[in-house]
Amino acid sequence: QKEVEQDPGPLSVPEGAIVSLNCTYSNSAFQYFMWYRQYSRKGPELLMYTYSSGNKEDGRFTAQVDKSSKYISLFIRDSQPSDSATYLCAMGSSGGYQKVTFGTGTKLQVIP
Amino acid sequence: SAVISQKPSRDICQRGTSLTIQCQVDSQVTMMFWYRQQPGQSLTLIATANQGSEATYESGFVIDKFPISRPNLTFSTLTVSNMSPEDSSIYLCSVQSRDQQETQYFGPGTRLLVL
Repeated sequence: QKEVEQDPGPLSVPEGAIVSLNCTYSNSAFQYFMWYRQYSRKGPELLMYTYSSGNKEDGRFTAQVDKSSKYISLFIRDSQPSDSATYLCAMGSSGGYQKVTFGTGTKLQVIP
Repeated sequence: SAVISQKPSRDICQRGTSLTIQCQVDSQVTMMFWYRQQPGQSLTLIATANQGSEATYESGFVIDKFPISRPNLTFSTLTVSNMSPEDSSIYLCSVQSRDQQETQYFGPGTRLLVL
């Protein structure tokens, strides 16, 4: 079993839709969670970072963490064509730098 | 945030040759990382490079195949040696964020195709 599981998609939605991207993990030691966005032919860029269970909102993006279920989500409201990218979840085990484990990424396409 | 550039952005190489990828950061950073990203797979950490010390390699990656240099706090190179088609991938360098040490900033990547 992989430490982090992420549905690769592709996920295709109409403009304006609410998008839900999800990851599950098996390692109880993971304490902090991130979402990266990667456009085609670009490096990943950090979208959201959270250290605790619950929700964290930033504009149209909401990151949700449920440590009891080992499940994290990224919600995108009012999705735009510019949101079309691959979204990678990532997680690590403690403060300071520790090795980060990435999901395989979900490819999202928002259709105008 | 840190601005990271990589050279070359892409290359096509012949089997058995070597390619050195450069990573330049616009500010001084302690930790730099090299990743490989293959289609349909997650980012795989190759090694961690700290200035002034030997790089630390992850399981499955060895220094003879992926030698790394870190001559100063803003620059690093990764060499892919004696390449085979299995080395075709995107190679990414990243640096640790100063504000949130668990997070990283990534370069644009180097797309490598080995024939």
